[in-house]
Amino acid sequence: AQTVTQSQPEMSVQEAETVTLSCTYDTSESDYYLFWYKQPPSRQMILVIRQEAYKQQNATENRFSVNFQKAAKSFSLKISDSQLGDAAMYFCAYRSAKGVDGLTFGKGTHLIIQP
Amino acid sequence: DTGVSQDPRHKITKRGQNVTFRCDPISEHNRLYWYRQTLGQGPEFLTYFQNEAQLEKSRLLSDRFSAERPKGSFSTLEIQRTEQGDSAMYLCASSLGGAGNQPQHFGDGTRLSIL
Repeated sequence: AQTVTQSQPEMSVQEAETVTLSCTYDTSESDYYLFWYKQPPSRQMILVIRQEAYKQQNATENRFSVNFQKAAKSFSLKISDSQLGDAAMYFCAYRSAKGVDGLTFGKGTHLIIQP
Repeated sequence: DTGVSQDPRHKITKRGQNVTFRCDPISEHNRLYWYRQTLGQGPEFLTYFQNEAQLEKSRLLSDRFSAERPKGSFSTLEIQRTEQGDSAMYLCASSLGGAGNQPQHFGDGTRLSIL
């Protein structure tokens, strides 16, 4: 079974600074998908960014980018120019390219933005 | 696109009672997922439908849990003889079929509290 580990329960960053959230995963599969989701307090889970394992190029969405290291099974999220609205729980998630179709989530990282 | 809708938002019940939750996915999405999220944890996959067919069930889905998706539209999740350990947020998500990188869109969730 796949596992996803987020080793930082909480991170704090000054507004306008850059922060990196860590995620590692364990799998024996070669083809899979990785996602970062954001869950603001009492609000819906929202997709931030996604990465296909077969793509070597790191995904980027505006201020959000990932550092995907397939051999190391690492998938970190970098948030540039942090904004107050970025404050939320961030979850890293894994999805197999075959078999069970549900996402496997990490425990999350609580991101605090200091004004 | 009205988003994924879940009802009710909150449910408080006594131990031993049965509860039923409803999820209305995004209209063109043929895939529907149920997750459970306890405090301080990431969501855990429960089950998945493609159209009206329930294709995967997690080991977490005990025989007290049953899910349906008649006619491939809305879905219901029923918990019979509720226990204290069932207290959690129950999340529904939907996605388009096809490639595995299709994002899952989440609802606001139903928070279940067992007295």
